[in-house]
Amino acid sequence: TQLLEQSPQFLSIQEGENLTVYCNSSSVFSSLQWYRQEPGEGPVLLVTVVTGGEVKKLKRLTFQFGDARKDSSLHITAAQPGDTGLYLCAGPNSGNTPLVFGKGTRLSVIA
Amino acid sequence: KAGVTQTPRYLIKTRGQQVTLSCSPISGHRSVSWYQQTPGQGLQFLFEYFSETQRNKGNFPGRFSGRQFSNSRSEMNVSTLELGDSALYLCASSLVGHLEQYFGPGTRLTVT
Repeated sequence: TQLLEQSPQFLSIQEGENLTVYCNSSSVFSSLQWYRQEPGEGPVLLVTVVTGGEVKKLKRLTFQFGDARKDSSLHITAAQPGDTGLYLCAGPNSGNTPLVFGKGTRLSVIA
Repeated sequence: KAGVTQTPRYLIKTRGQQVTLSCSPISGHRSVSWYQQTPGQGLQFLFEYFSETQRNKGNFPGRFSGRQFSNSRSEMNVSTLELGDSALYLCASSLVGHLEQYFGPGTRLTVT
């Protein structure tokens, strides 16, 4: 089973600050997805990155897929309290499961 | 288009009992997957169904089972509940062959 390691586990910042969270693996992934999960809800898909080196922007969120397709990062500019949540990365497993998830980064943005 | 719905949202059971959780996928989505989410282990894959057949299974004991109906709705069952089964159980639907998962709000199961 391919593993995805996310860092940091927890992050607490002030509104307006920038931040980057990471998703790393020793294995190559054909694609990676990022989800955000808010308390009491299921994860919501934010983006899928497919090509090594790819950069995708979603308003203040910038997602990057590493050149070797073993890692990805999510950068948030000028964080807002609405960005608070659990950020999960996921990718297709080479084994028999459709997706493997990292354990997530829990972000808290304080007004 | 309505999202994935799961019932019930909250459930409290006693050790040794069994439980059935229900999931209705997004209209047109024929693939349904189930995940268990706990603070320690994160999201772990349980199983995936489409065309009423289990296509993939995660590393969980046989007490965890599921099924899918002809209308793509799915149920999962956990028998002989243990304290460690307390978790958020998430259902996700997708188009067949697509990796993007659309999750429901989950069922919070507490075993006492």
